[in-house]
Amino acid sequence: SQTIHQWPATLVQPVGSPLSLECTVEGTSNPNLYWYRQAAGRGLQLLFYSVGIGQISSEVPQNLSASRPQDRQFILSSKKLLLSDSGFYLCACSAGDLLGTNEKLFFGSGTQLSVL
Amino acid sequence: GENVEQHPSTLSVQEGDSAVIKCTYSDSASNYFPWYKQELGKGPQLIIDIRSNVGEKKDQRIAVTLNKTAKHFSLHITETQPEDSAVYFCAAPGGSYIPTFGRGTSLIVHP
Repeated sequence: SQTIHQWPATLVQPVGSPLSLECTVEGTSNPNLYWYRQAAGRGLQLLFYSVGIGQISSEVPQNLSASRPQDRQFILSSKKLLLSDSGFYLCACSAGDLLGTNEKLFFGSGTQLSVL
Repeated sequence: GENVEQHPSTLSVQEGDSAVIKCTYSDSASNYFPWYKQELGKGPQLIIDIRSNVGEKKDQRIAVTLNKTAKHFSLHITETQPEDSAVYFCAAPGGSYIPTFGRGTSLIVHP
């Protein structure tokens, strides 16, 4: 089954500093990849998704960007962090099952980002 | 697009009681309905799912029921235990591979 590696687990950054969060996937090829953000006590907000190398779709206009340089690598970046970028960031991938669908998501362990 | 409503937002039960969380969806193209459990500080994990060709699925103490006509599905947890305390999310895909999630239910099981 799929394994998602996401790091770091916790990050404290000053306002205006850059950001790079990395996510790698094992156990599957050509997955769909997703970045979600979760504010404290809130639901899952989809930020970006990717269906292949170099293919990025943004769901919410914001201060962040994403890149997929390799099939199983997904990177979330920012040039200058804002206070509002604080939150719990989750990487996820979809996996085909016996019916060949991509609806089931596997999530990483998340990165808690605090911008001060 | 798909619209998923989840209720209640918070559910408090005594250990041993049953818990039920309900979701409604809008897009009749949705044919797959997963439930995820998120423990504090961790990513959500799939705990059970159901496809539109069945009405009920059970896995030990958890079960999911689906009513396609009414466009709603529910998560049932019996004999709740303190380790069931978590946030639970439902989801539906609509006609896309991007699932729409409910807003989550915080389940608290009191010992």
